[in-house]
Amino acid sequence: SAVISQKPSRDICQRGTSLTIQCQVDSQVTMMFWYRQQPGQSLTLIATANQGSEATYESGFVIDKFPISRPNLTFSTLTVSNMSPEDSSIYLCSAPPPTGSSYNEQFFGPGTRLTVL
Amino acid sequence: GESVGLHLPTLSVQEGDNSIINCAYSNSASDYFIWYKQESGKGPQFIIDIRSNMDKRQGQRVTVLLNKTVKHLSLQIAATQPGDSAVYFCAENKKGTYKYIFGTGTRLKVLA
Repeated sequence: SAVISQKPSRDICQRGTSLTIQCQVDSQVTMMFWYRQQPGQSLTLIATANQGSEATYESGFVIDKFPISRPNLTFSTLTVSNMSPEDSSIYLCSAPPPTGSSYNEQFFGPGTRLTVL
Repeated sequence: GESVGLHLPTLSVQEGDNSIINCAYSNSASDYFIWYKQESGKGPQFIIDIRSNMDKRQGQRVTVLLNKTVKHLSLQIAATQPGDSAVYFCAENKKGTYKYIFGTGTRLKVLA
C-alpha cells in the first residue's frame, strides 16, 4: 500500500485569501488525485494531477480556483484560491497503488480540514 | 473534532449483530468496486473490493455482494464491533481509468 501524508491537517482562513495544501506519497505514482468532501457529503473528484503536464479538472472545477502543481512523482499541491465560506471542506489527496500492484484501489491521505470565515 | 457524515443516512446496530450497508452505483460500465471506511478525522480506508466478474467476495468479517442487474452493492459486517463505527462509502471504477465515483455514504453507529 501507499502511505500518503498531507499538510496542513487543518486550517482556518479568512475570506479572500488562498491556501496551498501539500500531499506527499511514499512511493512514485503516475497519477495523484484531489478530492473535496463538503460537510456531511461524499467525496467529489476535483482534478487529476499529472506529472509533467497540466492537471485534468472535473466538471465544475477550474484551474484559476484550484491550481495544482505536480513537480515530481511523489508530490503534489492544491491551492484553494480567493476563498469563500463555501470552500469550507475536507480536501483529500489520493494515489493508486505503486506500479505492479494487481489491485486498483486508491489510497487516501488523512485530509486537510479547511474552514473559511 | 469535526465529524464527517453528519447528514448522511445512519444505520444503528447493536454490538454483536450483523450490519448490512447498501449502495446503488450509477454506471453500468463500471467493473471494479470498493468499500471504504472513514473514521472521524481520517481519510477513507480500503476495506474490500470486488470485480464485476464476481458476485460475492469475503474478507475478514466482511462480505461484499454485487448485483449487476440492478446496479447494487452491499457490505455485510459480521459481529459488528464498536470499532466499526464510521462512515462507509462505496466507490465504482471503470477499467482503464483511475477515476472513482463515490456513493453518498452511510454512517454506521454501533450501540453497546
